[in-house]
This record gives sequence, structure tokens and C-alpha cells, in this order.
Amino acid sequence: GAVVSQHPSRVICKSGTSVKIECRSLDFQATTMFWYRQFPKQSLMLMATSNEGSKATYEQGVEKDKFLINHASLTLSTLTVTSAHPEDSSFYICSASNSHTQYFGPGTRLTVL
Amino acid sequence: GQQLNQSPQSMFIQEGEDVSMNCTSSSIFNTWLWYKQEPGEGPVLLIALYKAGELTSNGRLTAQFGITRKDSFLNISASIPSDVGIYFCAGQLNNAGNMLTFGGGTRLMVKP
Repeated sequence: GAVVSQHPSRVICKSGTSVKIECRSLDFQATTMFWYRQFPKQSLMLMATSNEGSKATYEQGVEKDKFLINHASLTLSTLTVTSAHPEDSSFYICSASNSHTQYFGPGTRLTVL
Repeated sequence: GQQLNQSPQSMFIQEGEDVSMNCTSSSIFNTWLWYKQEPGEGPVLLIALYKAGELTSNGRLTAQFGITRKDSFLNISASIPSDVGIYFCAGQLNNAGNMLTFGGGTRLMVKP
């Protein structure tokens, strides 16, 4: 149980384009979903927290207009990186939370050329 | 944001050896979690600890929730090559919307 999927697993895009990443909780309803980014050899950095049907709460320093988060249902959240630039290249990981614990997706490797 | 102090940062050990890593915090948490992350993958939950003083095992893994609520350790006994990865501790407050505060990670390398 508690399986979280992410799609795509990796994406390469040109600078200036937008990229959408999906996060799904497959076997449970997630009241809250979280989006992280991780740079090589570093820990996970929380970007934003989203609750179904409401606006996401962004961490300090994360641009909400650049990283659009939609949490349309209890099993799906999306992160859209708008007008991507090479410095946005990173490993993006989502997690879904039941009442107690966060379960992580497998991550999406974004490379912006 | 805040990070927990996790040590050691990396370990290079011989297969069969036992491993110990720990996390400390200046503030208390209600829950301590230990995750393992392999290259190119998301973290996978290993052990969750919900009560101060709790000692929990999962196969060769044992973790304890410190009595002060400000620390936790993870032990791996008789390490094997597939234990290789990065281990993260995380603290959680019940009234913080399940948000996690992560340690910096311990990179474990096992020599066959």
C-alpha cells in the first residue's frame, strides 16, 4: 500500500518551454501533497505544500508564478515549471500524505537545455 | 529551511559490518522517520517512530526515538551491498500539517 507515482520520470526540454509533472497517490487518498526539489548530493528542499481544492502554500524563495501547483483531486497534484531555464534543472520529488506519514514518488529528473 | 543534524555524512564500510547513524535537533518532534534513497529514485520509508523512547525494528534495521524527542538513531546490522544508498532522517510535528524536516543525509557505501 501507499504507492505514489510520478510522471514523467525524466524530461528534457528547451529553455523557455513549460513542463508539467504529475503526482498520483495510487491506493490512498492524500489530503496533502508536497513538492520537493533535490540538487545532487543534497537533501530534499520543500518547495510547496498543497491541499486538495485550495491554493498551494509556497516556501520562502520559491516563485509561485514560476512553479504552478494544482491539486485538483485527492489523488492528483501537478507541478508546472513555466518558462524553464537551465538553472531549473533538478530532481523534483512529490510526496502524498495520509493522516500520518508522507510517501514519496520516484522523482522526475528535469533537464533544461 | 531548518535541517536536522545528521551524522555521519558518509560511511564506507565492509560487507557484514554494522552501521549506526543518528540525527539530532534543537527542537522536539512528535514523529521521527527514516528514509532510504537510491540513485535516481525517491525516498522510501524504512521506519516510523511515534513515541518517545520507542525502539522499532524492520529486518536488519533498528531505530529509536530519543527520550528527549530531539534525536533518533538508525542501526543496520550485517550490512550487504544492496544497503548502499542515502539514508535520511526526518522529524515531524503533528500540528504542522505533516510537514517534514529533513537531515542532510548519510551516504552509505558497502564494499563486498
